[in-house]
Amino acid sequence: NAGVMQNPRHLVRRRGQEARLRCSPMKGHSHVYWYRQLPEEGLKFMVYLQKENIIDESGMPKERFSAEFPKEGPSILRIQQVVRGDSAAYFCASSSRETQYFGPGTRLLVL
Amino acid sequence: GIQVEQSPPDLILQEGANSTLRCNFSDSVNNLQWFHQNPWGQLINLFYIPSGTKQNGRLSATTVATERYSLLYISSSQTTDSGVYFCAVVRVDRGSTLGRLYFGRGTQLTVWP
Repeated sequence: NAGVMQNPRHLVRRRGQEARLRCSPMKGHSHVYWYRQLPEEGLKFMVYLQKENIIDESGMPKERFSAEFPKEGPSILRIQQVVRGDSAAYFCASSSRETQYFGPGTRLLVL
Repeated sequence: GIQVEQSPPDLILQEGANSTLRCNFSDSVNNLQWFHQNPWGQLINLFYIPSGTKQNGRLSATTVATERYSLLYISSSQTTDSGVYFCAVVRVDRGSTLGRLYFGRGTQLTVWP
């Protein structure tokens, strides 16, 4: 049973470009969460989605960030017009019930 | 939100030693998880333990929900135990165990051979 998959594992973007991060949940999981980890810090919640619905986006910046979890395909976290402060590790987690399982993360570096 | 405090922030041990990590939280929770983030950055599930005691090999955990704390015990530590240990909770809200996890800042554990 494959775990949570994320790609790419590493992403380098220049300021002003778009970053698109993908997350495939574990088989049978319909809940997806995105978290961001800045250097030397814990993880901060960004958004919680179920298939085709955003349940809680209270942790996501209002501008430049968006997320979706379509009926078919992976969940996508999209960051438009990236800035240096967006450099971080972005983790996706999935669950069917109470336990969240994390993917390996995408390390985003903005030059 | 809910405040999650972990102690100690740093812990250095010799191989074979035992340790106790603590997690305090400021509000009622119905979901508490412990994770190990290894030196490669991977987050590994250790326990889902909103209350009571669980054991898995050399690791065990206890959560006393009424007093708002959880403890993670590591016995006979090994170098592979090194990394950051995170406690994370879901606040009691509408009776669901689902929802955003609030993370502590972690305990950085270093085990020397």
